[in-house]
Amino acid sequence: ECVLTQSPATLSLSPGERATLSCRASQSISTYLAWYQQKPGQSPRLLIYDTSNRATGIPARFSGSGSGTDFTLTISSLEPEDFAVYYCQQRSKWPLTFGQGTRLEIK
Amino acid sequence: EVRLLESGGGLVQPGGSLRLSCAASGFSFSTFEMHWVRLAPGKGLQWVSSISGNSRVPYYIDSVKGRFTISRDNSKNTLYLQMNSLGAEDTALYYCAKKYSDSLSYFDSWGQGAPVTVSS
Repeated sequence: ECVLTQSPATLSLSPGERATLSCRASQSISTYLAWYQQKPGQSPRLLIYDTSNRATGIPARFSGSGSGTDFTLTISSLEPEDFAVYYCQQRSKWPLTFGQGTRLEIK
Repeated sequence: EVRLLESGGGLVQPGGSLRLSCAASGFSFSTFEMHWVRLAPGKGLQWVSSISGNSRVPYYIDSVKGRFTISRDNSKNTLYLQMNSLGAEDTALYYCAKKYSDSLSYFDSWGQGAPVTVSS
């Protein structure tokens, strides 16, 4: 199983700041990684797929990078609605696996 | 608009069974692979099971093999998850999710989730 480790567990920032979230895979997964956002009481929403492709309707302030085992989700300038839990997910190896999540909270 | 609506969750005793349903609309259900993903309290998302559009290829995470059965009725646009021999470790919010595309095993649409609590 490919284990995804997200860091930090919690990130405290203010609106307007830049957020950098990390996801590390236990083995190489090429660029087969996605990011999801989940707000309280809501279902996850696909943000980024295959490392750097924004899903439909996702604002340009969200970007992704990386390859192999190290991946980053960057939010260039935080909006109030961006404070949520973020998960990474890989599709390179079965079973599909998710990271444990990073909680992005308002400082 | 894609809509996925789960039902069938609830409180069940250890060793008991539940059947979750997911009613789909807004897309060509029979052509998409469908998945169940769960979110346990205090934990991250966990993929549970998937089934191809024609029901020929089911997959399961090891921890549910032999206990859970995924199925679908394309005539009713409905996905199912039969869960037997439930244990406390199965307590979670269960989401049905639509695969993004044939080649991309990500999830672009999710239901609101069906809560399953296993407790005596």
